[in-house]
Formats: sequence, C-alpha cells, structure tokens
Amino acid sequence: EAQVTQNPRYLITVTGKKLTVTCSQNMNHEYMSWYRQDPGLGLRQIYYSMNVEVTDKGDVPEGYKVSRKEKRNFPLILESPSPNQTSLYFCASRGTGGNQPQHFGDGTRLSIL
Amino acid sequence: AQSVAQPEDQVNVAEGNPLTVKCTYSVSGNPYLFWYVQYPNRGLQFLLKYITGDNLVKGSYGFEAEFNKSQTSFHLKKPSALVSDSALYFCAVRDGTGGFKTIFGAGTRLFVKA
Repeated sequence: EAQVTQNPRYLITVTGKKLTVTCSQNMNHEYMSWYRQDPGLGLRQIYYSMNVEVTDKGDVPEGYKVSRKEKRNFPLILESPSPNQTSLYFCASRGTGGNQPQHFGDGTRLSIL
Repeated sequence: AQSVAQPEDQVNVAEGNPLTVKCTYSVSGNPYLFWYVQYPNRGLQFLLKYITGDNLVKGSYGFEAEFNKSQTSFHLKKPSALVSDSALYFCAVRDGTGGFKTIFGAGTRLFVKA
C-alpha cells in the first residue's frame, strides 16, 4: 500500500529537549515536504526537498532542520524546541510534474511545555 | 506572491442539498490547483485537481470543481451532500512556473446536517 508514515503520532516534551519526527514514503517520490497546521492558518510549509541532498526553506523554517540522505526518508529535527512550535505536523510526498497531488502522512501532534 | 483565500470558515448544508466551498487564488503563470479533504485525526487526502482546458473537473466521492480564470476561482461543488462529507476542506495552489512550493488556504469546515 502506498503510504507516508510519520512517527511519533503524538509527543509531549519540554522546552529545549531535542526531538526528531521521522517521515518515510514507499512511493519512490522525489519531492517531500513538511508542513505545520495551526487553527485559522491552514498548512504552512516548513521545508521541502526536491531530491536526495537537495532541500530548501519553506515559509516558516525558523527553529527547524531537515535532512534528505535517502530518497524515502525526510526527518524533521527540532534542535531546541520552544512552546511556539506546539502544533500539528504533516509530512507529504509527490512525484515529479507540477500537477501531481501530494500524499500526506497522518500527522504528528507535538506539545512543547 | 502566491496566495489562496477560502472566505468561509464554515459552510452548513442540509443532507441532499447541493454544496459549494469557495476558493480564490493569486499565482504567477498558469496555476496548478488542488482540493484536499481532512477527516479527524488523519492527514489530508487528495480530492481533485485542475486540468488545463477543463472548466469543470470531476474528482473523488462525487465532488467536482469549477475553474473560472477571469475570477481566479476554483470552487468545490457537490450536487447532493452527505452527512459523511462533513470534514475540513483545503484549497491549494502551486504556481505554473516550475516552483516547488504549494500554498494552502486556511481551510473551510463543512457541516452537513441530517
């Protein structure tokens, strides 16, 4: 089954404690993205990757890091989380071609205390 | 700059009635336009996308979308709403100049009453 898998689904942690949210896709997609979803703001892009070792900032990259060492994996790293990063996070992937839709994971709800 | 507007936070409709969820956009070049649906505790699911030349696009679950170039709109429609259509709907746009970024609207919550 074609899918995007995120882990963990839920995480409560404290300010300053480094965390990583993993994302893996099994569709051999070139493009992957991370979004955060906040009420009234829709989805905002954090980072995206066009292929292995190629990443770029989205609209809200501050406080986040990503890496793309393998095509299937695109982890999101919060080196020093802060309460304003409490949000619902989604990973997505898509194939090449501008009209290709994105496939989304089921989300990771992060609470930073 | 790219932007997407969904002017209604919530749309209420009775089961069996037609529904419309509105979306307007601003983007460079010919746009790539999408609708996604989100059910509770799930990621977004693709519903439909604009195909160049087709002003009425058909998608999943009986949904369709009407593209209007002059009004820069891409409204989501369904002739007969179901209670199970109640969910959060997002319009999204990607510019047609080869950009990699997708901009999402703020979302519209659809509530279908039995």
